[in-house]
Amino acid sequence: GDSVTQMEGPVTLSEEAFLTINCTYTATGYPSLFWYVQYPGEGLQLLLKATKADDKGSNKGFEATYRKETTSFHLEKGSVQVSDSAVYFCALLRSNTGKLIFGQGTTLQVKP
Amino acid sequence: NAGVTQTPKFQVLKTGQSMTLQCAQDMNHNSMYWYRQDPGMGLRLIYYSASEGTTDKGEVPNGYNVSRLNKREFSLRLESAAPSQTSVYFCASSAGTKETQYFGPGTRLLVL
Repeated sequence: GDSVTQMEGPVTLSEEAFLTINCTYTATGYPSLFWYVQYPGEGLQLLLKATKADDKGSNKGFEATYRKETTSFHLEKGSVQVSDSAVYFCALLRSNTGKLIFGQGTTLQVKP
Repeated sequence: NAGVTQTPKFQVLKTGQSMTLQCAQDMNHNSMYWYRQDPGMGLRLIYYSASEGTTDKGEVPNGYNVSRLNKREFSLRLESAAPSQTSVYFCASSAGTKETQYFGPGTRLLVL
């Protein structure tokens, strides 16, 4: 069945470091891909999305490119801030059923 | 425009007690969802409602029931709570089942 795999955390970085969080997926058809972010004690917020191959989603300095050939949707940011500390979830939306499948989440901690 | 709201924010139950989690959205969305979040497992779909008047099981429906009260409201009921249902519960909504889902702030449930 469809699935999403994220790199295990926690990821600990210093402020202004480069961030990559890996995400790969297995799916039939052509799913849409998402990154959600969960700040401590809060719900999930949509960070960015891409709906077809080679699309690049971007928001708040974060980017991710839908790579169909490698079935990946890695999240990147050039310079992280302490305020980026959160849990990041990669997810795919099944095009036929509309069900959202989540990865297990990756905790990012940014130190000053 | 409050988006997706959930009540209560936190609840403690004893094994065997029942309760209903409430969810409402003001975005005129057709589809609504209930997820649970457990450590290291991402979010898993409990039930969803593709449109008013319909409900369907998700990945982990056992021990739960749902009611789509109207287009705005979608409730989740635990008839006889068990410690295994200790979790954080999130409600989400979307314009349609193939559209982006938006999440509420969550309900933290502890079953003793």
